[in-house]
Amino acid sequence: RKEVEQDPGPFNVPEGATVAFNCTYSNSASQSFFWYRQDCRKEPKLLMSVYSSGNEDGRFTAQLNRASQYISLLIRDSKLSDSATYLCVVIGYNFNKFYFGSGTKLNVKP
Amino acid sequence: GAVVSQHPSWVICKSGTSVKIECRSLDFQATTMFWYRQFPKQSLMLMATSNEGSKATYEQGVEKDKFLINHASLTLSTLTVTSAHPEDSSFYICSARDRSGRVNEQFFGPGTRLTVL
Repeated sequence: RKEVEQDPGPFNVPEGATVAFNCTYSNSASQSFFWYRQDCRKEPKLLMSVYSSGNEDGRFTAQLNRASQYISLLIRDSKLSDSATYLCVVIGYNFNKFYFGSGTKLNVKP
Repeated sequence: GAVVSQHPSWVICKSGTSVKIECRSLDFQATTMFWYRQFPKQSLMLMATSNEGSKATYEQGVEKDKFLINHASLTLSTLTVTSAHPEDSSFYICSARDRSGRVNEQFFGPGTRLTVL
């Protein structure tokens, strides 16, 4: 079983739409959780951290449900520039390893 | 701050040759660097953890004699793909952890795209 699982998409949405991505992780001892954004042929860039209390940054909201081992990312009022692949990242219990999901591709259309 | 560079950004080589990829932390000291590989439409897979002054720790299934890692200083780690074959063609990305920063934070390099003919 993979450490981190994501729906690969693609999600094709019009500008202004609200879109949500989900991610599940297998190890209940995982310590930290993040969403990264990766543009085509580029390195991943940190989008935001994920906390049980929820984390909001402008149009982006991330949520963690430890009981269900589930992470979500909500994007409101989608922009064309939001088109990218969104990677769910989980850090192992010893803080040493990042486990990446395979990514969810988002295409925002005009 | 927290910039990581990789060189080269892309390389094309013939089968059987060796390719060296450099990963540098430009404005911080990194006792630990990580090497990842990403095949098309797949997630980043950790290959090895590179520790300054000691041997790298390889993930299961990664051949240490094929992927040689040298972390000779606090700002430089190198990955050498020895006797590269077409199946080694991939996007190789390094990341670095700031020795004085948060333990759960890694800074990624821009990646090196390797194509083996």
